Amino acid sequence: GESVGLHLPTLSVQEGDNSIINCAYSNSASDYFIWYKQESGKGPQFIIDIRSNMDKRQGQRVTVLLNKTVKHLSLQIAATQPGDSAVYFCAENNAGANNLFFGTGTRLTVIP
Amino acid sequence: GAGVSQTPSNKVTEKGKYVELRCDPISGHTALYWYRQSLGQGPEFLIYFQGTGAADDSGLPNDRFFAVRPEGSVSTLKIQRTERGDSAVYLCASSSDSGNTIYFGEGSWLTVV
Repeated sequence: GESVGLHLPTLSVQEGDNSIINCAYSNSASDYFIWYKQESGKGPQFIIDIRSNMDKRQGQRVTVLLNKTVKHLSLQIAATQPGDSAVYFCAENNAGANNLFFGTGTRLTVIP
Repeated sequence: GAGVSQTPSNKVTEKGKYVELRCDPISGHTALYWYRQSLGQGPEFLIYFQGTGAADDSGLPNDRFFAVRPEGSVSTLKIQRTERGDSAVYLCASSSDSGNTIYFGEGSWLTVV
């Protein structure tokens, strides 16, 4: 569903802790998922992606988990740093579609 | 350049005026996308090009919006008779092919007064 900025889900974590950002998707035909990070005044920055034939994928300090049974996606950030503060979007794409559908985003704030 | 380049980064225009926003995709990327992002929301799809042709323009809100990519590289998003509701960040993105990772530019912030 839609949300306006005041209602953007938020997550605050202490520097050095691990962060988990969750995302629910609705289209069971979606087969490709991406996490983007967006800092204020900038465009979305690719973090990590996963295809539906996998349930886990790891990058540098980030891990994406996909649970197709409940249509749930999560992004785990290890040892969160102040530079990780941003809005995080999950996006989905289904086979044959030409575009990504974005979720509402979660604002992550890292407390030094 | 290494990434998707968009110009202008900011544009203020009066209601009713015509606006053009330019996108230079990553070199060699055949797929190009335009998205629109309102404050506090995720990007919303407008149009997708594969090469020179608009393969999917289902996201364009009305016929005031049009986009071209005449040589299969640079694209221009054109908005006629701008309205205050058109104020948003217009994001361009590209990928090496449809279904591959999509990389975004920094966006063009349009304000219609």
